[in-house]
Amino acid sequence: QVQLVESGGGVLQPGGSLRLSCVASGFTFSDYGMHWVRQAPGKGLEWVGFIRYDGTDKYYSDSVTGRFTISRDNSRNKLYLQMDSLRVEDTSVYYCARNGGGSSWSWFFDYWGQGTLVTVSS
Amino acid sequence: EIVLTQSPGTLSLSPGERATLSCRASESVNADQVAWHQQKPGQPPRLLVYGASRRATGIPDRFSGSGSGTDFTLTINRLESEDFAVYYCQQYGRSATFGQGTKVEIK
Repeated sequence: QVQLVESGGGVLQPGGSLRLSCVASGFTFSDYGMHWVRQAPGKGLEWVGFIRYDGTDKYYSDSVTGRFTISRDNSRNKLYLQMDSLRVEDTSVYYCARNGGGSSWSWFFDYWGQGTLVTVSS
Repeated sequence: EIVLTQSPGTLSLSPGERATLSCRASESVNADQVAWHQQKPGQPPRLLVYGASRRATGIPDRFSGSGSGTDFTLTINRLESEDFAVYYCQQYGRSATFGQGTKVEIK
């Protein structure tokens, strides 16, 4: 069965950096685009970014462009989110999610990880 | 950015009743690329419907999606206890955005 497990969350101060990881299993990771989606405490869902199945293209929401970087290692079935210049408003649970459209540009999310909490506070 | 507005904010219903959730887009969504996700407290979201009307794997047939253009609906027939949750619509016609959610609560 498809499994996505995030790690790397924690508490840090504004301006800090953090790298989240997501390990995938139960499917051919290199066949699928992958996303990060976040959810602030008690709030709704916000798409953060996408990486193509082969890592050649990446897209980000306006709120994180220039500060966050998505990458992947298909040999290790791992997805990453490098977060720099963190702000208080980045406090959220961060989910990795599989692209339901596989390698296509249909950006819906057919499997989600359990999430990892990032708290940015002074 | 395509903005999605969900209504109502909260729906109070009894088990066995029908729930009708609405999602309106600020502009027409290309190729009906709308999905619906269910989220229970402390859990990640779960995909219910994609392509406006296609049920995801393992989703009971009491869940159905419909609509096109700017107006989309998720219908849950014969509510069961496990259906009380928050529901989000999501468009993927251009990038990806979510509605603010509709909470279905027990009356």
